[in-house]
Amino acid sequence: TQLLEQSPQFLSIQEGENLTVYCNSSSVFSSLQWYRQEPGEGPVLLVTVVTGGEVKKLKRLTFQFGDARKDSSLHITAAQPGDTGLYLCAGVTGNQFYFGTGTSLTVIP
Amino acid sequence: DAGVIQSPRHEVTEMGQEVTLRCKPISGHDYLFWYRQTMMRGLELLIYFNNNVPIDDSGMPEDRFSAKMPNASFSTLKIQPSEPRDSAVYFCASSHSGRSLYEQYFGPGTRLTVT
Repeated sequence: TQLLEQSPQFLSIQEGENLTVYCNSSSVFSSLQWYRQEPGEGPVLLVTVVTGGEVKKLKRLTFQFGDARKDSSLHITAAQPGDTGLYLCAGVTGNQFYFGTGTSLTVIP
Repeated sequence: DAGVIQSPRHEVTEMGQEVTLRCKPISGHDYLFWYRQTMMRGLELLIYFNNNVPIDDSGMPEDRFSAKMPNASFSTLKIQPSEPRDSAVYFCASSHSGRSLYEQYFGPGTRLTVT
């Protein structure tokens, strides 16, 4: 059983569509990160959220940390082919650090 | 500014052989992490170091795996003897405690194939 479950596991959409990816857990996290990994490369940090209810925006990407700090979402507006990749959430609970199961996104031109 | 450097990028070896993966973290970073990524298990933390000292190696799968960090700019992950189930992409990452040790910068990875 994974501590951080992401959904959906796979997502294929047309360019211009909106989408939301979820990261859920039964544990409370002191902070949560989102990474994007492109094929053949390592994950790249996108954002860190630390406060329950916090919302951060990065261009067309909106990240939200749940009020209870057990979950997070990533919303992409008007997806572009360059958004294609594996999206990973990662959280800190206690002094342990866990990566989520990942969402593989494909944006079709 | 150079990122995390890993070598080799690809390694193909036969079962039973010794494999050594290398990593150079970002200069000034005091944490270094080794991860393994597979389709089945996702991204798994193997071991991490703080100021060259191993802090948590509970993710190391078995005694065939060992990791060292002789100085602040170099780390190795060794598998001896290697087995086909060790085939995976191995990532090294580094971070700076002054910002957050959990905000990690990853290298490009080493794709290991054991036949």
